[in-house]
Amino acid sequence: AQSVTQLGSHVSVSEGALVLLRCNYSSSVPPYLFWYVQYPNQGLQLLLKYTTGATLVKGINGFEAEFKKSETSFHLTKPSAHMSDAAEYFCAVSDGQGAQKLVFGQGTRLTINP
Amino acid sequence: GAGVSQTPSNKVTEKGKYVELRCDPISGHTALYWYRQSLGQGPEFLIYFQGTGAADDSGLPNDRFFAVRPEGSVSTLKIQRTERGDSAVYLCASSLEGGLQETQYFGPGTRLLVL
Repeated sequence: AQSVTQLGSHVSVSEGALVLLRCNYSSSVPPYLFWYVQYPNQGLQLLLKYTTGATLVKGINGFEAEFKKSETSFHLTKPSAHMSDAAEYFCAVSDGQGAQKLVFGQGTRLTINP
Repeated sequence: GAGVSQTPSNKVTEKGKYVELRCDPISGHTALYWYRQSLGQGPEFLIYFQGTGAADDSGLPNDRFFAVRPEGSVSTLKIQRTERGDSAVYLCASSLEGGLQETQYFGPGTRLLVL
């Protein structure tokens, strides 16, 4: 079964600093990987996804993530944090064997310090 | 266009009562998903519909939970004999055709509190 591990339930960075949110997955087949963001009292919004092709994926709001098969990782980064980036971030995997569900990590709450 | 909508946004009920949660997917999306998000956790899959039929209900925790999508659009998640442990945010998502690579678009959720 697929699983997702997000290292660090809380991450705090200063405004303008690098954001790095870690995600590792386990999958018996090539995975499809997703990052979602959840703002307070709102639904999940897709930041970016990896399906096939280029392993460096660019998303909305300046975020990007790199699929590293050898490390089974899909870490999310942003060069310069903005106050509006404060939210909960979820990494998810969709297996390639027919199950349509997404398996989510436990989430990382990102706090931006002024 | 309109996104996924869910009603009610909040529901408070008493232990043992029956509740219905509604999801209105994006128009034209054939795939619909229900997830449950407990406090401090990521969403957990409950059930997936392709059209009117439940293609995968492996995430439903027990037989108190049931969902329908009779006309292939709106879906209702039904919980019988609610328990305090059912308290969570129930999320609905839809996608165009249900492909593994497709983006699932999420609604704002229904926050259920069982007293």
